This record gives sequence, C-alpha cells and structure tokens, in this order.
Amino acid sequence: AQKVTQAQTEISVVEKEDVTLDCVYETRDTTYYLFWYKQPPSGELVFLIRRNSFDEQNEISGRYSWNFQKSTSSFNFTITASQVVDSAVYFCALSEAYYGGATNKLIFGTGTLLAVQP
Amino acid sequence: DAGITQSPRHKVTETGTPVTLRCHQTENHRYMYWYRQDPGHGLRLIHYSYGVKDTDKGEVSDGYSVSRSKTEDFLLTLESATSSQTSVYFCAISQGQGGEETQYFGPGTRLLVL
Repeated sequence: AQKVTQAQTEISVVEKEDVTLDCVYETRDTTYYLFWYKQPPSGELVFLIRRNSFDEQNEISGRYSWNFQKSTSSFNFTITASQVVDSAVYFCALSEAYYGGATNKLIFGTGTLLAVQP
Repeated sequence: DAGITQSPRHKVTETGTPVTLRCHQTENHRYMYWYRQDPGHGLRLIHYSYGVKDTDKGEVSDGYSVSRSKTEDFLLTLESATSSQTSVYFCAISQGQGGEETQYFGPGTRLLVL
C-alpha cells in the first residue's frame, strides 16, 4: 500500500537558518510521482514541485532545494536562509503511475508546520 | 491560478441536514477531485471524476456523494451531515498529461457541523 510519512509535526527556526523537512514514502510501484505543497496561514494549497521516480537529480529553485533518494525512499525539502514568509504547513504527497484512463490520486503525508521566527 | 472556485467558502449547518459544496473550474480540465483536510490526517481523497457523469470513490467516501453533469462543475453532497464531517474541503483539478499531471487546488470550504 502507498504511504507517506512526515515524522516532523512542527519545526521552529530563527530567520536565516537552514531547515530540512523530511518525507519518507512507501510504494510497490516502480513508477511513481512525488510532490510538495505549501499551505500558508491563509489556507490555500500551493504546488511547489513534482518529481518522477526515474529522475533522481536533485533540484534547486532559489532558496528551495529537494533531495530525492530512491535507496532510502525519501524526498526531503530544504529551505536555505529561511524567512518569515516561509512559515506554513508543508505537505509531501505521492501518486502512482496510472494506466488505461485511471487517474493520479494523491496520497498525502500529515504535514509539517514550519514556524520561522524573526 | 488554475481557475478554480469553491462555494460556499464557509458554512455552518446542523447534524442531519444535507449539504452541497460546489467546485467550479473555467479551463475545461477533465479530472476533478474532492479532498478533506483534518488535523493529523493531511488531505484525504473523497471522490474524483474523470469526465462528465464519470466518478469514482476515494479513500473516505462514506457519507458523501458527487455529481458532475457538466465539465466545469463538480458537486460534493453530504447526504446527512454529521459532526465527524466538520472539516476543510478542497477541490482540485489535474493539469498536464502523459505522466506529467499536477493537481492544483481551489481555495477550500470550511464546514462546521453542529
């Protein structure tokens, strides 16, 4: 069965610190997709990144970077030089490949609340 | 902005009453989804649709029904609301194709069942 675990319920850092949010997943499929979403205090869900299982390259986007390691079934998210605006709940999600007209249902982790103090 | 709106944005209702939430999209996406968000559970899929009149159950479908009579609207109905259905409900669409799909979410509906 598919499962996503975000063991860190809450993290508090001081502005300018680096912080890593952990995500561990379980799946029996060899082809799957991993996602990160951000939910700021205003409540909307903002898509951050999608990663395919056959692409293990790390990705960097400004202060954000993602480390995908199939060997440990992890897809961790690092924010460098955190800012108060990074305060949010961050969700990791997994979907398996689909065939024949089915659809990509997302399985979410329980989220990590990141609080960045000024 | 994936052009998704949800209505109402907030609702208070009483146990036993039927409630319908509406998701409206303007970009002709084929796939639409309803999730609920609860503390300690993240988001969980209730129902989804892969076309007009084509729907299927998700992980937590008991007590919910859906309908999709036109591409742009996906309705979620709580047949007889219970306090356990107090939650934040998110609608989503899937954009992309060929394994490159990404789900984008509406602003959410906060539902309180008293």
